[in-house]
Amino acid sequence: EVQLVETGGGLIQPGGSLRLSCAASGFTVSSNYMNWVRQAPGKGLEWVSVIYSGGSTYYADSVKGRFTISRDNSKNTLYLQMNSLRAEDTAVYYCARGTSGGYVDYWGQGTLVTVSS
Amino acid sequence: QSALTQPASVSGSPGQSITISCTGTSSDVGGYNSVSWYQQHPGKAPKLMIYDVSNRPSGVFTRFSGSKSGNTASLTISGLQAEDEADYYCSSSTNSTTPVVFGGGTKLTVL
Repeated sequence: EVQLVETGGGLIQPGGSLRLSCAASGFTVSSNYMNWVRQAPGKGLEWVSVIYSGGSTYYADSVKGRFTISRDNSKNTLYLQMNSLRAEDTAVYYCARGTSGGYVDYWGQGTLVTVSS
Repeated sequence: QSALTQPASVSGSPGQSITISCTGTSSDVGGYNSVSWYQQHPGKAPKLMIYDVSNRPSGVFTRFSGSKSGNTASLTISGLQAEDEADYYCSSSTNSTTPVVFGGGTKLTVL
C-alpha cells in the first residue's frame, strides 16, 4: 500500500528556515516523480516543486532560490528545505507522487507551515 | 505561469448533472492530453478523480467523466449525490519552466 507521511511543519518567524520530510512506503521514491504542493488557508492548490527520477528539479517562481527539493534514497524520503520564509508561504504542504503523465496519483495528509512573528 | 481558470462555484440538486470547466491556453490544456481533476473534501487531502483528460482511476465512480475541447477541459458529474459536495481542482502539464499548473478550484454545492 502506498503511503506518504509528511513531518516538519510548525510555526516559524519570517526569514527563518524549516525542513519538511515525507516518508514514503509501498514504492521507491527515487523511481518516481515526487512533488510538493501547497495550499494556503482557504485558498487553492499551488504546485511548489518536483524532483524527477533522474534527479532534475523544478520550482515555482514564487519559491525559486529559497526552497530546495531533495531525496534520500536510503531512507526512501523526500525533503523540502525552505529558507527565507515569508508570511505568504503559510500553507499546508502536501507531498505528492507524480507520474510521467503529469498527474498526482497519491497524496500525503499534509503538514501545516505557519510563518508569523 | 498563471493558474487555469475555473468557476468559483457550481451547484446542482441530487440526481442532476453538473459540469465544471477549466480553461487554459495552448501552452497547457490545449497542448497536452495531461489534464487531471482532483476532489477535495474539507480538511482532507485531494483525491485523483480523472487523469489524461478522461481516464478514471480504479475505484472512481463512472458518473465522473472528463473531456477536452481546445483550451478548455471539463469535468462532468452525473447523478449528483450529497457526498460529491467538495472542492474540485483541474491540473495540466505545461511547456513552461513550471511543469504543472493547477486551476483555482471550484466549490460544488449539492442543494
